[in-house]
Amino acid sequence: NAGVTQTPKFQVLKTGQSMTLQCAQDMNHEYMSWYRQDPGMGLRLIHYSVGAGITDQGEVPNGYNVSRSTTEDFPLRLLSAAPSQTSVYFCASGSRRNSPLHFGNGTRLTVT
Amino acid sequence: GQQVMQIPQYQHVQEGEDFTTYCNSSTTLSNIQWYKQRPGGHPVFLIQLVKSGEVKKQKRLTFQFGEAKKNSSLHITATQTTDVGTYFCAGKDNQGGKLIFGQGTELSVKP
Repeated sequence: NAGVTQTPKFQVLKTGQSMTLQCAQDMNHEYMSWYRQDPGMGLRLIHYSVGAGITDQGEVPNGYNVSRSTTEDFPLRLLSAAPSQTSVYFCASGSRRNSPLHFGNGTRLTVT
Repeated sequence: GQQVMQIPQYQHVQEGEDFTTYCNSSTTLSNIQWYKQRPGGHPVFLIQLVKSGEVKKQKRLTFQFGEAKKNSSLHITATQTTDVGTYFCAGKDNQGGKLIFGQGTELSVKP
């Protein structure tokens, strides 16, 4: 099992560009989520999903879109990148809503 | 909205000293989870507490969940250099599915 796979590992964008961060899990987990990690801010929840076809907003959803068309995939889309979105992004999944999370290795995004 | 506060932000200890990090929630939690993130790595699940007043141990690590289910602590006895990293608590309230993380406590251990 690969667990939670995130791509790419690193990305540099110019302000205004859009891109999609990919996240896939092969554990048949119902619950998937996206966090961003900034120094001194911990991990802040962007969006989450409790199952295919269901998504909801987290603490900091503005500027990001998600979709959950399959159980395995949960892509995060940046609509128009801004320097404030420079961060490390983690995707995480759990078997159910209250289960422990398995994290991917992260994507380090820089917006110039 | 739900907030989870964690203190201290940083802790520097000499190897062999004890370490404690504290977590407080603005709302009653259904459960609390603890994670460890090594430098340059991703968070890794340590333990989950569900019951009021629950205490769990993992070797030198002791985890507690408060009676009111609004606070928690992680205590490490006799720290080792392998304990280095950032420790996060994360809580879910009774209403929603959001797992909210504290800011983390970064532990450094001097040999």
